[in-house]
Amino acid sequence: ILNVEQSPQSLHVQEGDSTNFTCSFPSSNFYALHWYRWETAKSPEALFVMTLNGDEKKKGRISATLNTKEGYSYLYIKGSQPEDSATYLCASPLGQDSSYKLIFGSGTRLLVRP
Amino acid sequence: NAGVTQTPKFQVLKTGQSMTLQCAQDMNHNSMYWYRQDPGMGLRLIYYSASEGTTDKGEVPNGYNVSRLNKREFSLRLESAAPSQTSVYFCASSAIGTGAYEQYFGPGTRLTVT
Repeated sequence: ILNVEQSPQSLHVQEGDSTNFTCSFPSSNFYALHWYRWETAKSPEALFVMTLNGDEKKKGRISATLNTKEGYSYLYIKGSQPEDSATYLCASPLGQDSSYKLIFGSGTRLLVRP
Repeated sequence: NAGVTQTPKFQVLKTGQSMTLQCAQDMNHNSMYWYRQDPGMGLRLIYYSASEGTTDKGEVPNGYNVSRLNKREFSLRLESAAPSQTSVYFCASSAIGTGAYEQYFGPGTRLTVT
């Protein structure tokens, strides 16, 4: 993998369902992995920044895991609510000497139906 | 606490016109960034400023210039706008720009070039 990739592109779930999506990134020269939540008509807001292999972070019903050896991170939402509807972006600094340059995936758009 | 502010919120330009997008942050952050967001492509880094007095190119710098006016302010200039520059532009800042710190985003500027 030479880029940051996210799947699925979009996801529709019912209120109360738990869901998860994936972010894949190059495992070589790993520095950090960011997750952002982006609601329509607003600006992205940081959920987590993870740097260590095996890291797990949690904020309310949202949690994330990190596997730097195989180059993936999962974002989980437990008991989805309509207010969780948003686009979820992951990002990582890629390339040698480019720790400042966050490369974003194209996002997973989540719609939670009441 | 205003966080990251951007002006203007909306702008329509004719091809060949120039304009400057303004960004300011009040969080005493060292690093600032300019991104553009196009449908299906996520956020792409145009330029960044790791610290006051320095600027560097991101993924898509062609057609843009930047100025880090002081620690608070980072402007983006389009010298001769082209329809391909129609996009939503986001400014962001982080405490330190090494990729391990979350970024805070402004509300965005929606630019249309006709």
